[in-house]
Amino acid sequence: DAGVTQSPTHLIKTRGQQVTLRCSPKSGHDTVSWYQQALGQGPQFIFQYYEEEERQRGNFPDRFSGHQFPNYSSELNVNALLLGDSALYLCASSFTTGTGAYEQYFGPGTRLTVT
Amino acid sequence: GQSLEQPSEVTAVEGAIVQINCTYQTSGFYGLSWYQQHDGGAPTFLSYNALDGLEETGRFSSFLSRSDSYGYLLLQELQMKDSASYFCALEGYQKVTFGTGTKLQVIP
Repeated sequence: DAGVTQSPTHLIKTRGQQVTLRCSPKSGHDTVSWYQQALGQGPQFIFQYYEEEERQRGNFPDRFSGHQFPNYSSELNVNALLLGDSALYLCASSFTTGTGAYEQYFGPGTRLTVT
Repeated sequence: GQSLEQPSEVTAVEGAIVQINCTYQTSGFYGLSWYQQHDGGAPTFLSYNALDGLEETGRFSSFLSRSDSYGYLLLQELQMKDSASYFCALEGYQKVTFGTGTKLQVIP
C-alpha cells in the first residue's frame, strides 16, 4: 500500500512564474490538506480539500489555489511566484469522520526554490 | 485565531525521560495531536488526545488538559533516533494548526 506521494521532489522557478505541485493520497483517504513549511518553522495550513471542494483555507493569498480530482488526488497551484514562496510544500491525507480528519499522513514534500 | 507555543529546544540524555510542553489558545477544537519530523523528512503522526488525560503509545505518551489549555508529549527510554523536531497541532474543524516546534537533541 503506497503512502502519500508528491511530485516533483524539487523545483526551481523564477520570480513571477507559476508552479503546479501534485499529490496522491494514501489509499482509503478522501481528504487532502496542503501546508507550507519554511525552514525552522512549523507547517502552515494552506487549505483542505474534500469531495473536490475547498473546505477551509488558511491565511494565504489568492495566488494559492488548488484542486481535488474524483480519485482524491490534488494539485496546488501558485501564481506570480515571490521569493518568499520558497519553502517545503507538504501534502497530507486523512479520512474525514464526524469529528474531523485527524491522524494525517504526510507526503515527502516538494522543495520549491524561487530565484 | 489559534496559536500554540512550545519550547524551541530541549536536550536530554539517552535512556532518560523528556517532556515537551505545548500551550495553546483557541476558541474550539476537536483534539490535540503530536507529530515528529526528522531533518529533511516529512512529519509523522505520533499521538492524538480528543479527551483530557493521558494516551500511551509505546514509549510515547501524550496528555491534554482543556481547562488549562495545555498538553505535553512524554518520551521515555530516549534513543538517539528520537532526535528530531516535535510539533503539537490543534485539530479543528476542517483545519489543523501546528505549533512552532521543539527541536529535541538526545545526547549519549
